[in-house]
Amino acid sequence: DQQVKQNSPSLSVQEGRISILNCDYTNSMFDYFLWYKKYPAEGPTFLISISSIKDKNEDGRFTVFLNKSAKHLSLHIVPSQPGDSAVYFCSPSSSNTGKLIFGQGTTLQVKP
Amino acid sequence: NAGVTQTPKFRVLKTGQSMTLLCAQDMNHEYMYWYRQDPGMGLRLIHYSVGEGTTAKGEVPDGYNVSRLKKQNFLLGLESAAPSQTSVYFCASSIGGLSTEAFFGQGTRLTVV
Repeated sequence: DQQVKQNSPSLSVQEGRISILNCDYTNSMFDYFLWYKKYPAEGPTFLISISSIKDKNEDGRFTVFLNKSAKHLSLHIVPSQPGDSAVYFCSPSSSNTGKLIFGQGTTLQVKP
Repeated sequence: NAGVTQTPKFRVLKTGQSMTLLCAQDMNHEYMYWYRQDPGMGLRLIHYSVGEGTTAKGEVPDGYNVSRLKKQNFLLGLESAAPSQTSVYFCASSIGGLSTEAFFGQGTRLTVV
């Protein structure tokens, strides 16, 4: 019973272009969504989040879009930089549980 | 400010041996979590705690036990290690509540031979 899926294991883009990472979820009780970034040999770190009452949240080069009807969210990075090369995890949460779950992750490679 | 500290960072166990992984946080967080990361599987929740003295099962709890006797510490135990438990283990903590981010430790790489 996988409640959150990141169907693209990897993504490769050229420096300066846009990176789009996708996440799908099944549980309509999720009402907050976070993205984390992970470098090799380090723990994940928080990147950006969005509440279910919004459809877009922007922070510098990073923008997250939420489509509640489709139970889909995406993370846009523009322009992409080589330092963005990492694994990105989607993490939905709901107000009635203490659980914090993650998708399978998407490995982004930004080529110079 | 140390944040979340995991001990040890590396360990090799023989099948059937036991061990305890320690997670310590100095941020006075209520919630703590243990995950394992395996190739292609992402971060899977093993057990979690929403406060001192409480624990709950996550997605993959079998073969593991946990304890949260002190608010700042969350222990993960393997009573009889199996090769299938070879993984990288991450501990995390958060204030708790809907919109709060989790802070992660550096991970423990465990190999069971």
